[in-house]
Amino acid sequence: DAGITQSPRHKVTETGTPVTLRCHQTENHRYMYWYRQDPGHGLRLIHYSYGVKDTDKGEVSDGYSVSRSKTEDFLLTLESATSSQTSVYFCAISESVGFYYGYTFGSGTRLTVV
Amino acid sequence: GQQLNQSPQSMFIQEGEDVSMNCTSSSIFNTWLWYKQDPGEGPVLLIALYKAGELTSNGRLTAQFGITRKDSFLNISASIPSDVGIYFCAGQLRSGYALNFGKGTSLLVTP
Repeated sequence: DAGITQSPRHKVTETGTPVTLRCHQTENHRYMYWYRQDPGHGLRLIHYSYGVKDTDKGEVSDGYSVSRSKTEDFLLTLESATSSQTSVYFCAISESVGFYYGYTFGSGTRLTVV
Repeated sequence: GQQLNQSPQSMFIQEGEDVSMNCTSSSIFNTWLWYKQDPGEGPVLLIALYKAGELTSNGRLTAQFGITRKDSFLNISASIPSDVGIYFCAGQLRSGYALNFGKGTSLLVTP
């Protein structure tokens, strides 16, 4: 398996509380991504990072923030969780040099906001 | 992001049958990829396509990058029960850009 780990794997939280999800990689890849997966919507990009302290928004970034202080860690924070953020969250990594080799995905975090 | 239209949404087939699914876009992509997702896991890359017209195989899987660069298809021959899962197409505008995903095709295979 590629060295990518997401934590926690499952979390239940209350509406209005902040939540942080962690993605850790041991591949020293430059690019890291956060996606959410919902029935009928497929995978939608939340935020991504192209290096330490370099991040940018994806198509569904409202209500989310990210930080990348080290190459190996990419954190996703829900500032004040809402029920609409109940989803499965996937982190992905890639190293884009020359030809594109595709993402490697983590196993996901299932988040339930009650 | 660029919208990808993936069809069919779901397929229910018998073991041994061939399967075909496709993905279209209103935009041109430089790379097309196909992923498979097993229940409770993240998607895993099956095939990557880098050139218009390219036809690539991976075992029983064959995928093609459309000539117009706006579509791709995936075929699975002689399906088996372990082919069950969700198949996603993904397109990339150019190197370093994030992938855009289709909504997935759910495949069920009965023995």
